[in-house]
Amino acid sequence: QKEVEQNSGPLSVPEGAIASLNCTYSDRVSQSFFWYRQYSGKSPELIMSIYSNGDKEDGRFTAQLNKASQYVSLLIRDSQPSDSATYLCAVDSGGYNKLIFGAGTRLAVHP
Amino acid sequence: EPEVTQTPSHQVTQMGQEVILRCVPISNHLYFYWYRQILGQKVEFLVSFYNNEISEKSEIFDDQFSVERPDGSNFTLKIRSTKLEDSAMYFCASSEQRGDQPQHFGDGTRLSIL
Repeated sequence: QKEVEQNSGPLSVPEGAIASLNCTYSDRVSQSFFWYRQYSGKSPELIMSIYSNGDKEDGRFTAQLNKASQYVSLLIRDSQPSDSATYLCAVDSGGYNKLIFGAGTRLAVHP
Repeated sequence: EPEVTQTPSHQVTQMGQEVILRCVPISNHLYFYWYRQILGQKVEFLVSFYNNEISEKSEIFDDQFSVERPDGSNFTLKIRSTKLEDSAMYFCASSEQRGDQPQHFGDGTRLSIL
């Protein structure tokens, strides 16, 4: 059974701080990794995709991938209260044309 | 920005009835998906669809479920005889290519089975 694991949180950070969200996955053949943000009662919204080992930056967001450790992370710099949401890690199932989602980490940014 | 649109936003149905959820994927996307999310649980894959046929389906997607692309724009999910446990948010997604490309999600249909 292919799994994607995330700490459920809540992760509480003060406004302006860096939030660090982590994800591990079980399927070594996975090649594509995504972070989605989901506000309560809403649909997943794509934030970042990453395919190669290392860091990928987009604005305040940085995704990090380490395939050897089967680990993906998302850093949010200068966190804002509007970043408060559940962050979903999603991993492609090794070319089987579907995403496997983690349960998500709830982030709370307090003023 | 192009987006995936889903209708209706909320569907209430009696147990045992048939329900059809509708989606319009992003126009230049070739791969279409349905996922569901039971309240408080993970987003779960149901089915993927390409070139007018199912390319992958999960164990959840049993004989009660079917998908169709009835015309050049719509993509539908039909549940033939709904059960109480089918109550969930159903999300349609589309991508330009296979799972190595980002999937973009619609706003979802909340399905409530009474």
